[in-house]
Amino acid sequence: RKEVEQDPGPFNVPEGATVAFNCTYSNSASQSFFWYRQDCRKEPKLLMSVYSSGNEDGRFTAQLNRASQYISLLIRDSKLSDSATYLCVVNGKFSGGYNKLIFGAGTRLAVHP
Amino acid sequence: EPEVTQTPSHQVTQMGQEVILRCVPISNHLYFYWYRQILGQKVEFLVSFYNNEISEKSEIFDDQFSVERPDGSNFTLKIRSTKLEDSAMYFCASSEEYQGSEQYFGPGTRLTVT
Repeated sequence: RKEVEQDPGPFNVPEGATVAFNCTYSNSASQSFFWYRQDCRKEPKLLMSVYSSGNEDGRFTAQLNRASQYISLLIRDSKLSDSATYLCVVNGKFSGGYNKLIFGAGTRLAVHP
Repeated sequence: EPEVTQTPSHQVTQMGQEVILRCVPISNHLYFYWYRQILGQKVEFLVSFYNNEISEKSEIFDDQFSVERPDGSNFTLKIRSTKLEDSAMYFCASSEEYQGSEQYFGPGTRLTVT
């Protein structure tokens, strides 16, 4: 089983749509969870951390289900500028310390007019 | 807003040559990292560094790799004898705290080994 697994997409949605991405992780000892965004050939940019209670930042809502080892990201009212690859990222005790980020392969989102 | 910077943005080198990739982490951050991303693949952890020593490294980070903080601002990744398969984007990142803290990435250095 992959350490962090995501549906690669692409998700093709019209402007204004609501889209949801899911992610599962294999190590129950994982401690911290993030969503990053990556534009083509650019660096990963932190979108938001994910907390057990769920958290929201404007149009973006992230949820964590520790029991199911499942993380989600919901984007409401999609904009053209949301087109990117969304990376599910876990920081946990996979093989040693806690300061190693494990990246999923990413889910590609394309928002069209 | 403070950011991580990296130089050069693109480095072309011949197989067997040594390269040094440079990074300036965010100034009040204490933990530094290198990651790489081969074209079309996911981002992979290489090494983490704190208090002038490696705190963790992956199996990719073999003897041909080394890291150094030569002064108060720079953080470098050296590849001693490059191979074709070292061609990738190399990202530097930094964070304030150790466990669970958010890591911020630099724009990357594209390394092409010919």
